[in-house]
Amino acid sequence: EADIYQTPRYLVIGTGKKITLECSQTMGHDKMYWYQQDPGMELHLIHYSYGVNSTEKGDLSSESTVSRIRTEHFPLTLESARPSHTSQYLCASSGPSMNTEAFFGQGTRLTVV
Amino acid sequence: AQSVTQLDSQVPVFEEAPVELRCNYSSSVSVYLFWYVQYPNQGLQLLLKYLSGSTLVKGINGFEAEFNKSQTSFHLRKPSVHISDTAEYFCAVADSGNTPLVFGKGTRLSVIA
Repeated sequence: EADIYQTPRYLVIGTGKKITLECSQTMGHDKMYWYQQDPGMELHLIHYSYGVNSTEKGDLSSESTVSRIRTEHFPLTLESARPSHTSQYLCASSGPSMNTEAFFGQGTRLTVV
Repeated sequence: AQSVTQLDSQVPVFEEAPVELRCNYSSSVSVYLFWYVQYPNQGLQLLLKYLSGSTLVKGINGFEAEFNKSQTSFHLRKPSVHISDTAEYFCAVADSGNTPLVFGKGTRLSVIA
Protein backbone atom coordinates (compact mmCIF):
# COMPACT_ATOMS: atom_id res chain seq x y z
CA GLU A 1 0.00 0.00 0.00
CA ALA A 2 1.31 3.42 -0.98
CA ASP A 3 2.38 5.75 1.81
CA ILE A 4 1.22 9.02 0.34
CA TYR A 5 -1.45 11.06 2.05
CA GLN A 6 -3.60 13.96 1.01
CA THR A 7 -5.70 16.17 3.25
CA PRO A 8 -8.44 17.12 3.22
CA ARG A 9 -10.27 14.49 1.13
CA TYR A 10 -13.16 16.87 0.49
CA LEU A 11 -13.31 20.65 0.78
CA VAL A 12 -16.10 23.11 0.08
CA ILE A 13 -15.00 26.71 0.31
CA GLY A 14 -16.21 30.15 -0.63
CA THR A 15 -14.89 32.28 -3.48
CA GLY A 16 -11.88 34.40 -2.59
CA LYS A 17 -10.63 32.21 0.24
CA LYS A 18 -7.02 31.07 0.45
CA ILE A 19 -6.58 27.32 0.64
CA THR A 20 -3.71 24.88 0.97
CA LEU A 21 -3.99 21.26 -0.07
CA GLU A 22 -1.60 19.03 1.83
CA CYS A 23 0.39 16.12 0.43
CA SER A 24 2.90 14.03 2.35
CA GLN A 25 4.77 10.84 1.55
CA THR A 26 6.89 8.59 3.76
CA MET A 27 8.76 6.75 1.01
CA GLY A 28 11.66 9.19 0.76
CA HIS A 29 10.85 9.95 -2.87
CA ASP A 30 12.54 12.96 -4.42
CA LYS A 31 9.99 13.32 -7.20
CA MET A 32 6.50 14.62 -6.44
CA TYR A 33 3.65 15.76 -8.66
CA TRP A 34 0.29 17.52 -8.61
CA TYR A 35 -2.40 16.63 -11.13
CA GLN A 36 -5.77 18.26 -11.71
CA GLN A 37 -8.61 16.00 -12.84
CA ASP A 38 -12.21 16.92 -13.64
CA PRO A 39 -14.73 14.08 -13.01
CA GLY A 40 -14.30 11.28 -15.51
CA MET A 41 -11.67 13.22 -17.38
CA GLU A 42 -7.98 13.03 -18.09
CA LEU A 43 -5.17 13.97 -15.73
CA HIS A 44 -3.42 17.29 -16.21
CA LEU A 45 0.00 17.82 -14.69
CA ILE A 46 0.05 21.24 -13.00
CA HIS A 47 3.22 21.15 -10.88
CA TYR A 48 6.13 18.86 -10.15
CA SER A 49 9.28 18.78 -8.07
CA TYR A 50 12.43 16.73 -8.33
CA GLY A 51 13.74 17.60 -4.90
CA VAL A 52 13.88 20.11 -2.09
CA ASN A 53 13.71 23.73 -3.30
CA SER A 54 12.95 22.54 -6.84
CA THR A 55 9.54 23.19 -8.42
CA GLU A 56 8.38 23.30 -12.03
CA LYS A 57 5.13 24.15 -13.77
CA GLY A 58 3.40 21.35 -15.60
CA ASP A 59 1.58 21.16 -18.90
CA LEU A 60 -1.61 22.84 -17.70
CA SER A 61 -1.43 26.44 -16.64
CA SER A 62 -2.63 26.83 -13.10
CA GLU A 63 -3.13 29.73 -10.74
CA SER A 64 -1.94 27.58 -7.87
CA THR A 65 1.56 27.60 -6.38
CA VAL A 66 3.61 24.89 -4.69
CA SER A 67 6.57 24.68 -2.37
CA ARG A 68 9.04 21.94 -1.50
CA ILE A 69 10.84 22.77 1.72
CA ARG A 70 11.00 19.17 2.95
CA THR A 71 11.37 16.00 0.93
CA GLU A 72 8.21 14.46 2.32
CA HIS A 73 5.92 17.46 1.95
CA PHE A 74 4.56 19.11 -1.23
CA PRO A 75 1.65 21.47 -0.46
CA LEU A 76 -0.39 23.23 -3.13
CA THR A 77 -1.83 26.69 -2.44
CA LEU A 78 -4.57 28.73 -4.07
CA GLU A 79 -4.35 32.37 -2.93
CA SER A 80 -7.90 33.23 -3.98
CA ALA A 81 -10.20 30.35 -4.83
CA ARG A 82 -12.68 30.68 -7.69
CA PRO A 83 -15.45 28.39 -8.96
CA SER A 84 -13.24 27.51 -11.95
CA HIS A 85 -10.86 25.84 -9.47
CA THR A 86 -13.50 23.25 -8.63
CA SER A 87 -11.88 19.93 -9.46
CA GLN A 88 -10.12 16.89 -8.04
CA TYR A 89 -6.46 17.34 -7.18
CA LEU A 90 -4.20 14.29 -7.10
CA CYS A 91 -0.74 14.18 -5.57
CA ALA A 92 1.83 11.55 -6.55
CA SER A 93 5.45 10.65 -5.89
CA SER A 94 8.01 8.40 -7.55
CA GLY A 95 11.49 7.03 -7.02
CA PRO A 96 14.66 8.24 -8.72
CA SER A 97 14.63 5.98 -11.78
CA MET A 98 12.47 6.53 -14.84
CA ASN A 99 11.31 2.92 -14.68
CA THR A 100 9.69 3.26 -11.27
CA GLU A 101 5.99 3.86 -11.06
CA ALA A 102 4.26 6.82 -9.49
CA PHE A 103 2.31 6.30 -6.27
CA PHE A 104 -0.87 8.33 -5.88
CA GLY A 105 -2.71 9.77 -2.93
CA GLN A 106 -6.48 9.42 -2.69
CA GLY A 107 -7.07 12.93 -3.93
CA THR A 108 -8.73 16.10 -2.68
CA ARG A 109 -12.08 16.99 -4.18
CA LEU A 110 -12.36 20.78 -4.07
CA THR A 111 -15.60 22.67 -4.59
CA VAL A 112 -15.54 26.46 -4.68
CA VAL A 113 -18.94 28.07 -4.25
CA ALA B 1 7.90 14.59 -26.34
CA GLN B 2 6.11 11.40 -25.61
CA SER B 3 2.37 11.07 -26.13
CA VAL B 4 -0.15 8.36 -25.32
CA THR B 5 -3.37 7.61 -27.17
CA GLN B 6 -6.12 5.55 -25.61
CA LEU B 7 -8.32 4.76 -28.55
CA ASP B 8 -11.58 4.18 -26.67
CA SER B 9 -13.01 6.65 -24.19
CA GLN B 10 -15.70 4.19 -23.04
CA VAL B 11 -15.91 0.39 -23.21
CA PRO B 12 -19.10 -1.36 -22.07
CA VAL B 13 -18.83 -5.13 -21.64
CA PHE B 14 -20.96 -7.85 -20.12
CA GLU B 15 -19.83 -9.62 -16.98
CA GLU B 16 -17.58 -12.65 -17.61
CA ALA B 17 -16.82 -11.48 -21.17
CA PRO B 18 -13.24 -10.70 -22.26
CA VAL B 19 -12.08 -7.13 -22.66
CA GLU B 20 -9.24 -5.29 -24.36
CA LEU B 21 -8.38 -1.66 -23.66
CA ARG B 22 -6.14 -0.16 -26.30
CA CYS B 23 -3.12 2.06 -25.81
CA ASN B 24 -0.64 3.42 -28.33
CA TYR B 25 2.40 5.57 -27.59
CA SER B 26 4.63 7.71 -29.73
CA SER B 27 7.80 6.05 -30.81
CA SER B 28 10.97 6.30 -28.79
CA VAL B 29 14.22 4.41 -28.42
CA SER B 30 13.27 3.01 -25.07
CA VAL B 31 10.11 3.41 -23.06
CA TYR B 32 8.61 2.21 -19.84
CA LEU B 33 4.88 1.56 -19.92
CA PHE B 34 2.28 1.46 -17.18
CA TRP B 35 -1.41 0.79 -16.72
CA TYR B 36 -3.24 2.35 -13.77
CA VAL B 37 -6.80 1.90 -12.52
CA GLN B 38 -8.90 4.53 -10.79
CA TYR B 39 -12.03 3.63 -8.84
CA PRO B 40 -14.59 6.37 -8.11
CA ASN B 41 -13.35 9.05 -5.73
CA GLN B 42 -9.95 7.40 -5.42
CA GLY B 43 -6.40 8.01 -6.59
CA LEU B 44 -4.70 5.88 -9.23
CA GLN B 45 -3.44 2.38 -8.47
CA LEU B 46 -0.81 0.56 -10.52
CA LEU B 47 -2.13 -2.48 -12.40
CA LEU B 48 1.06 -3.51 -14.18
CA LYS B 49 4.19 -2.19 -15.82
CA TYR B 50 6.55 -3.05 -18.65
CA LEU B 51 10.20 -2.23 -18.13
CA SER B 52 12.06 -4.77 -20.29
CA GLY B 53 12.20 -8.49 -21.02
CA SER B 54 9.10 -10.54 -21.74
CA THR B 55 6.56 -8.61 -23.79
CA LEU B 56 3.63 -10.16 -21.91
CA VAL B 57 3.21 -8.59 -18.52
CA LYS B 58 0.87 -9.89 -15.85
CA GLY B 59 -0.63 -7.60 -13.26
CA ILE B 60 -3.08 -7.56 -10.40
CA ASN B 61 -6.75 -8.55 -10.56
CA GLY B 62 -6.19 -10.92 -13.52
CA PHE B 63 -5.14 -8.21 -15.97
CA GLU B 64 -2.29 -8.59 -18.45
CA ALA B 65 -0.81 -6.42 -21.17
CA GLU B 66 1.32 -7.05 -24.22
CA PHE B 67 4.09 -4.73 -25.35
CA ASN B 68 4.37 -4.55 -29.13
CA LYS B 69 7.32 -2.44 -30.21
CA SER B 70 6.61 -2.56 -33.93
CA GLN B 71 3.07 -1.30 -33.43
CA THR B 72 4.01 0.97 -30.51
CA SER B 73 1.13 -0.50 -28.52
CA PHE B 74 0.55 -1.70 -24.98
CA HIS B 75 -3.00 -3.08 -24.89
CA LEU B 76 -4.56 -4.23 -21.63
CA ARG B 77 -6.59 -7.44 -21.52
CA LYS B 78 -8.64 -9.52 -19.14
CA PRO B 79 -10.21 -12.84 -20.19
CA SER B 80 -13.27 -12.54 -17.93
CA VAL B 81 -14.36 -9.28 -16.29
CA HIS B 82 -16.27 -8.78 -13.06
CA ILE B 83 -18.62 -6.03 -11.95
CA SER B 84 -15.87 -4.84 -9.63
CA ASP B 85 -13.64 -4.05 -12.64
CA THR B 86 -15.84 -1.08 -13.48
CA ALA B 87 -13.43 1.85 -13.26
CA GLU B 88 -11.32 4.30 -15.25
CA TYR B 89 -8.12 2.89 -16.77
CA PHE B 90 -5.11 5.01 -17.67
CA CYS B 91 -2.13 4.10 -19.81
CA ALA B 92 1.12 5.97 -19.12
CA VAL B 93 4.60 6.14 -20.60
CA ALA B 94 8.01 7.25 -19.40
CA ASP B 95 11.13 7.52 -21.51
CA SER B 96 14.78 7.83 -20.70
CA GLY B 97 14.52 11.57 -20.29
CA ASN B 98 14.02 13.07 -16.88
CA THR B 99 10.40 14.07 -17.44
CA PRO B 100 7.19 13.16 -15.63
CA LEU B 101 5.00 10.27 -16.70
CA VAL B 102 2.73 11.06 -19.63
CA PHE B 103 -0.83 9.78 -19.24
CA GLY B 104 -3.47 8.95 -21.80
CA LYS B 105 -6.94 10.42 -21.52
CA GLY B 106 -8.33 7.28 -19.90
CA THR B 107 -10.84 4.59 -20.83
CA ARG B 108 -13.97 4.08 -18.78
CA LEU B 109 -14.71 0.36 -18.46
CA SER B 110 -18.32 -0.38 -17.55
CA VAL B 111 -19.13 -3.99 -16.72
CA ILE B 112 -22.80 -4.85 -17.18
CA ALA B 113 -24.48 -7.62 -15.19
